[in-house]
Amino acid sequence: SQKIEQNSEALNIQEGKTATLTCNYTNYSPAYLQWYRQDPGRGPVFLLLIRENEKEKRKERLKVTFDTTLKQSLFHITASQPADSATYLCAYVNAGNMLTFGGGTRLMVKP
Amino acid sequence: GAVVSQHPSWVICKSGTSVKIECRSLDFQATTMFWYRQFPKQSLMLMATSNEGSKATYEQGVEKDKFLINHASLTLSTLTVTSAHPEDSSFYICSARNPPGLAGVRETQYFGPGTRLLVL
Repeated sequence: SQKIEQNSEALNIQEGKTATLTCNYTNYSPAYLQWYRQDPGRGPVFLLLIRENEKEKRKERLKVTFDTTLKQSLFHITASQPADSATYLCAYVNAGNMLTFGGGTRLMVKP
Repeated sequence: GAVVSQHPSWVICKSGTSVKIECRSLDFQATTMFWYRQFPKQSLMLMATSNEGSKATYEQGVEKDKFLINHASLTLSTLTVTSAHPEDSSFYICSARNPPGLAGVRETQYFGPGTRLLVL
């Protein structure tokens, strides 16, 4: 069955650097992948969606890529700021039309 | 964008009591809402799909008699944790799909702020 995997270890980077988070899927390529941000004690907030036939999508300092060969999506935050510190979740819509989330990766941006 | 609210944001109750959590879509109508549960340091797990005017659809392993869902109107879904026990302590989050008329695909979901439940 399809699994979606994110690095469970926290990512610590210095302010101003580019943060790169990874989302891997194990089986078929989903029609699209979504990225959400979740702050502690809050619900997730939708950030970006990238379709299977799109290589890259950008929104301000955010960039998402989708590599169907590697079965991987990368999420980049350029010029990172301490306010970017949060947990980032990737998700796909499964065969039952339900959103399925990866475990999330916690990002810590140090000033 | 679509706004989803939840109430209460925090609830502490004694074991054996029932707790009701409300999920509202504030500026749009949601025929379908979703209820998730999230344990510390874990991802969101879908519990059930709440359908306006009909019975909820529960995921495997979720007891429907334990977690009662009522979607009585197009803007309100409620989750009632019946006879709550300490193991029910968790973070409960509801969501609604991107409504028609907003940019983006329908499967994008907008989440409420969550309800932290602590059962003593």
